[in-house]
Amino acid sequence: QVQMVQSGPEVKKPGASVEVSCEASGYTFTTYGISWVRQAPGQGLEWMGWITTYDGQTNYAQKFRGRITMTTDTSTRTAYMELRSLSADDTAVYYCARCGSPLAMDVWGKGTTVAVSS
Amino acid sequence: QSVLTQPPSVSAAPGQKVTISCSGSSSNIGSNYVSWYQHLPGTAPKLLIYENNKVSSGTPDRFSGSKSGTSATLGISGLQTGDEGDYYCATWDRSLGDPRVVFGGGTKLTVL
Repeated sequence: QVQMVQSGPEVKKPGASVEVSCEASGYTFTTYGISWVRQAPGQGLEWMGWITTYDGQTNYAQKFRGRITMTTDTSTRTAYMELRSLSADDTAVYYCARCGSPLAMDVWGKGTTVAVSS
Repeated sequence: QSVLTQPPSVSAAPGQKVTISCSGSSSNIGSNYVSWYQHLPGTAPKLLIYENNKVSSGTPDRFSGSKSGTSATLGISGLQTGDEGDYYCATWDRSLGDPRVVFGGGTKLTVL
């Protein structure tokens, strides 16, 4: 079946970077894009951006531009999201999701908890 | 504060029907498709509705979506206790110039 398996929880200090991975299985990787969404404690869902897996084109939310990079490795069917210059406000659960279009995120990973604390 | 406005909470009894509204503007809902997501406690979000009213694969037909002008609505009939959780609308927004996907603030559904 279609699955998105994310990397484990992370604890980072302010100013550091974090990379979350998302390994896809059960479908042809390059026929769907990957979106990244986060949810801070007690808050709603926040879209971070998406990447097309067949050519690596990205569309980042303006809020994160300059400190976010999304990439994919088609040989391992894995997507990566790197977020730099972390602050406490980046403490959240980060989700990857398969998407036929950025609005249709139809298979989600279980989420990766990133805690930023000094 | 999201550009899409949802009621913070709704409630209804098991077996009843409930609707959740999502209000936006011509910069978002008025000119784009709307999707709806269910986020149950301790689980990953799930796509329920896409392109305003298309039911996602595996989603029961108790769930329905509609859009009119700058508002969208999610309907859930035959409520079950397992439906309790948070529901989010989502669409493209161009109010700040660059297109971005935005989620509503979320609506907490309680099945009494």
